[in-house]
Amino acid sequence: GNSVTQMEGPVTLSEEAFLTINCTYTATGYPSLFWYVQYPGEGLQLLLKATKADDKGSNKGFEATYRKETTSFHLEKGSVQVSDSAVYFCALREGGGNKLVFGAGTILRVKS
Amino acid sequence: DTAVSQTPKYLVTQMGNDKSIKCEQNLGHDTMYWYKQDSKKFLKIMFSYNNKELIINETVPNRFSPKSPDKAHLNLHINSLELGDSAVYFCASSLRWTEAYEQYFGPGTRLTVT
Repeated sequence: GNSVTQMEGPVTLSEEAFLTINCTYTATGYPSLFWYVQYPGEGLQLLLKATKADDKGSNKGFEATYRKETTSFHLEKGSVQVSDSAVYFCALREGGGNKLVFGAGTILRVKS
Repeated sequence: DTAVSQTPKYLVTQMGNDKSIKCEQNLGHDTMYWYKQDSKKFLKIMFSYNNKELIINETVPNRFSPKSPDKAHLNLHINSLELGDSAVYFCASSLRWTEAYEQYFGPGTRLTVT
């Protein structure tokens, strides 16, 4: 079946550090890929998405590029802020509908 | 203007009880979902309804029964609660089922079974 693997957390960074959260997937074909973010005590919010190979999704300084060769969708940000502290989920869209398969989530903690 | 709302936010109950969680969306979306998030933050879909019809029913015990009285509401009823049901339950909605539309999540209901 389809699956998503994310790097284990927690990831702890100082403010203004560079962030990478690795995400790889296993799927048939080329599914749409997503990053969702969950701030403390809240539901998930879409951060960015890419629907085909080589697409780059970007939002709020975060970026991720759909790499079909390496079946990856790594999340990056050049300079993190304390307010970026949250849980980040990588997900893929399975099949022809809108069913999402999520990775295990990566906790990010940013210290001032 | 809350897009996807859930009630209650917290639910503490004893084993064997029956409880319901309600979800409403005011976005005019066709599709709604229930997810379960365990203590390790792992998120898994349970059910999905499109235009009031059940389209996803994952491997979930029969004790869980979703009901969609109209497109804007999707409720979750749980019978004979067990300790393992303790989790955060999220409702979500999306514009359509057939494409990669963004899913909008509610704030979650933290269920604790004692």
